[in-house]
Amino acid sequence: NAGVTQTPKFQVLKTGQSMTLQCAQDMNHNSMYWYRQDPGMGLRLIYYSASEGTTDKGEVPNGYNVSRLNKREFSLRLESAAPSQTSVYFCASSEAGAGMDSPLHFGNGTRLTVT
Amino acid sequence: GEDVEQSLFLSVREGDSSVINCTYTDSSSTYLYWYKQEPGAGLQLLTYIFSNMDMKQDQRLTVLLNKKDKHLSLRIADTQTGDSAIYFCAEIGRSSYKLIFGSGTRLLVRP
Repeated sequence: NAGVTQTPKFQVLKTGQSMTLQCAQDMNHNSMYWYRQDPGMGLRLIYYSASEGTTDKGEVPNGYNVSRLNKREFSLRLESAAPSQTSVYFCASSEAGAGMDSPLHFGNGTRLTVT
Repeated sequence: GEDVEQSLFLSVREGDSSVINCTYTDSSSTYLYWYKQEPGAGLQLLTYIFSNMDMKQDQRLTVLLNKKDKHLSLRIADTQTGDSAIYFCAEIGRSSYKLIFGSGTRLLVRP
């Protein structure tokens, strides 16, 4: 039982390059999330998917797109990377929403550097 | 708006108690959470408190909630070196899908 798996673990991009961060969960969770973590700023929600077939913007969606490919997988795409997108990206999942009975389970993160 | 604030750093001696504080702004929050992040890993849920409670105890962890002052604290009794990590306070935002995190408090436990 792997939980939430993110790939890759590390990535270096040049400004303007594109890439997709992959996330998969094996807990049959309905909701999935992408967060970014920056020093002194905690975690900020980029996009989330409440259930298969739906996606919604979080606090900081600009410069990103997402795809909920199926119930298991939720990918995050950077079409034209910028240095401001240097961050650690976390994928998370929950059974439904983020309430008491539905805590978030996090992956181990992808550390992205844009030069 | 929704905002959660925490101090950035706390250092304690092994065996002492640690108290990590958090303030939040959304008075409609129904649940408040503490997550722990160890180096190189994602966040793990430590404990939570429902907004109609004042206190919750879970082994070495005690959560205190002052709803009037919108202040939440996490006390760790008999702090161990394995407790060294970043601790995040979080509240449910107006959407039940949006967990709003504080900036995290880095706890360092000295031997």
